[in-house]
Amino acid sequence: GQNIDQPTEMTATEGAIVQINCTYQTSGFNGLFWYQQHAGEAPTFLSYNVLDGLEEKGRFSSFLSRSKGYSYLLLKELQMKDSASYLCAVRGPGGFKTIFGAGTRLFVKA
Amino acid sequence: SAVISQKPSRDICQRGTSLTIQCQVDSQVTMMFWYRQQPGQSLTLIATANQGSEATYESGFVIDKFPISRPNLTFSTLTVSNMSPEDSSIYLCSAAGTGSNTGELFFGEGSRLTVL
Repeated sequence: GQNIDQPTEMTATEGAIVQINCTYQTSGFNGLFWYQQHAGEAPTFLSYNVLDGLEEKGRFSSFLSRSKGYSYLLLKELQMKDSASYLCAVRGPGGFKTIFGAGTRLFVKA
Repeated sequence: SAVISQKPSRDICQRGTSLTIQCQVDSQVTMMFWYRQQPGQSLTLIATANQGSEATYESGFVIDKFPISRPNLTFSTLTVSNMSPEDSSIYLCSAAGTGSNTGELFFGEGSRLTVL
């Protein structure tokens, strides 16, 4: 079966750091993605991990441990515009079929 | 990256009718997918649109209800047939394989359907 778990909601303060966790159990693995989705808009790509370790991209970093079926997205120096849903997604083998978690709604407060 | 255009962007439909959503990509792409996103929920994969052959449907979705076409590498359609209020949702077209080495998905803006 396929299961991707992430917290439903998180709240953080502007300027702070927040970590959004994701655990997954999927039949096959060919990469883990994080997407950002603002209300009423389409998801946009943030990060990609296929090997264990940390990938850094400006204020955003993503970590993967394949043996633990675990990833996190780290957002630094939070800004109000970072208030959005963050979707953890896993791509299966053999193609680009991607399954999404339920998403974590992040609220950034002043 | 790829720019994906969907239409209609929104529609209000009567129960029992069918509606076709069109998806146009500005470049040739390997893979195209259709997702559904119900209010406040995440994305559920409906099917993979295969160029020149029948779509591959996920569990819970069938061709009679959601017929899909993909005549070429830049265009696809999704029809929602015999609609009921439970079909009210946002339908998203996505594409991958646009030259990126990560194969991330690009999404259209979505088609918001309300079924009365």
